[in-house]
Amino acid sequence: EVQLLESGGDLVQPGGSLRLSCTASGFTFSNYLMAWVRQAPGTGLEWVSSISPMGDKTAYAGSVKGRFTVSRDNSKNTLSLQMNGLRVEDTAVYYCVKGSRGEYGEWGQGTLVTVSS
Amino acid sequence: QSALTQPPSASGSPGQSVTISCTGTSSDVGGYNYVSWYQQHPGKVPKLMIYEVSKRPSGVPDRFSGSKSGNTASLTVSGLQAEDEADYYCCSHAGAYNVFGTGTRVTVL
Repeated sequence: EVQLLESGGDLVQPGGSLRLSCTASGFTFSNYLMAWVRQAPGTGLEWVSSISPMGDKTAYAGSVKGRFTVSRDNSKNTLSLQMNGLRVEDTAVYYCVKGSRGEYGEWGQGTLVTVSS
Repeated sequence: QSALTQPPSASGSPGQSVTISCTGTSSDVGGYNYVSWYQQHPGKVPKLMIYEVSKRPSGVPDRFSGSKSGNTASLTVSGLQAEDEADYYCCSHAGAYNVFGTGTRVTVL
């Protein structure tokens, strides 16, 4: 059974930093593209970032490019999202997802990031 | 990277059909056969219902079907059931990125 477990969500002040992690199990992590999708309170889904199976290719939404960095450690089955320069509008539940080309069959339960002073 | 356009709401009586549209551009929906649809019940994690425009993952009822014409994709739910009441989001691959739709709340009357 595929499991994706996010951690790291917290309350942070505007301009601050936070690192999210996602621990994967139940599949060969290094074979799959992974991504982060977020959902602000009461609003819709937003694709944030993707990373290739080997970690050599990354992509970002325009709203986070230059502030967020996605990475992975295939030896530890871990996906990470380093978030710098956080803004109030980054407040959301962040989901770790497995899949590619916008087709995500497996989702974690999400971790809440709140950016507020 | 503008969100794909969906109607805010749709509704139907039990047993009826409802169709949700998802309009993008030639750079996303029109340019790739990688359109997916997600169902999200309140407080729950989104669930993949359709991928590659019209394919259903294992376990998704065949009441759910997808199609695409030009820059617009559609999700049809036939034989509406009470448990189909949820938010639905489309998503399209767009080369260097992926983009979700604005979401549609489906109400079963």
